[in-house]
Amino acid sequence: SQQGEEDPQALSIQEGENATMNCSYKTSINNLQWYRQNSGRGLVHLILIRSNEREKHSGRLRVTLDTSKKSSSLLITASRAADTASYFCATPLGGAAGNKLTFGGGTRVLVKP
Amino acid sequence: DAGVIQSPRHEVTEMGQEVTLRCKPISGHNSLFWYRQTMMRGLELLIYFNNNVPIDDSGMPEDRFSAKMPNASFSTLKIQPSEPRDSAVYFCASSLTGLETQYFGPGTRLLVL
Repeated sequence: SQQGEEDPQALSIQEGENATMNCSYKTSINNLQWYRQNSGRGLVHLILIRSNEREKHSGRLRVTLDTSKKSSSLLITASRAADTASYFCATPLGGAAGNKLTFGGGTRVLVKP
Repeated sequence: DAGVIQSPRHEVTEMGQEVTLRCKPISGHNSLFWYRQTMMRGLELLIYFNNNVPIDDSGMPEDRFSAKMPNASFSTLKIQPSEPRDSAVYFCASSLTGLETQYFGPGTRLLVL
């Protein structure tokens, strides 16, 4: 099963509203990353939060990390139509599995103008 | 930097034909990843290289798939023979280390008839 799982699978909001999505993971991590994918395009890195950080901001994005609950959230404030995309969380798997990221199934966000 | 470059961007082929996908990672990046994305299965890691050496190919679906990285600036993913169920978008990504930010190429959209 996947290391990270996003919730909800889909989200529809009006422009100007906030969008919140969550990610749960299973094993201990040293960082967690969020990516965005616009339709028909490659994934684009949004933000990386390390295990010793609880919150991080980047523009209209706010990411939180709760290592005790093995969960993270991504908040997009004052959403715009251009924020319509799928959002993925990714967590690293190391050790015997080598150094690689595993991606969740994504949250599809639709921002209606 | 031009980012991760993939070619071709689109490929339509007939079942049984050989397909070769190409990737040029970002200069200086030590890790290279091949992913496949479909609606049904989401984003799957097929194989990744570290310093041109294949580290984990456990995601390669079967022997019809092979990947090479002859040097730090070039990798190929080959499917021989191709089947309709191989139809997907194939992404290449690179990173400085496997656990940090990954930079994705635009993808190759493959359709096997």
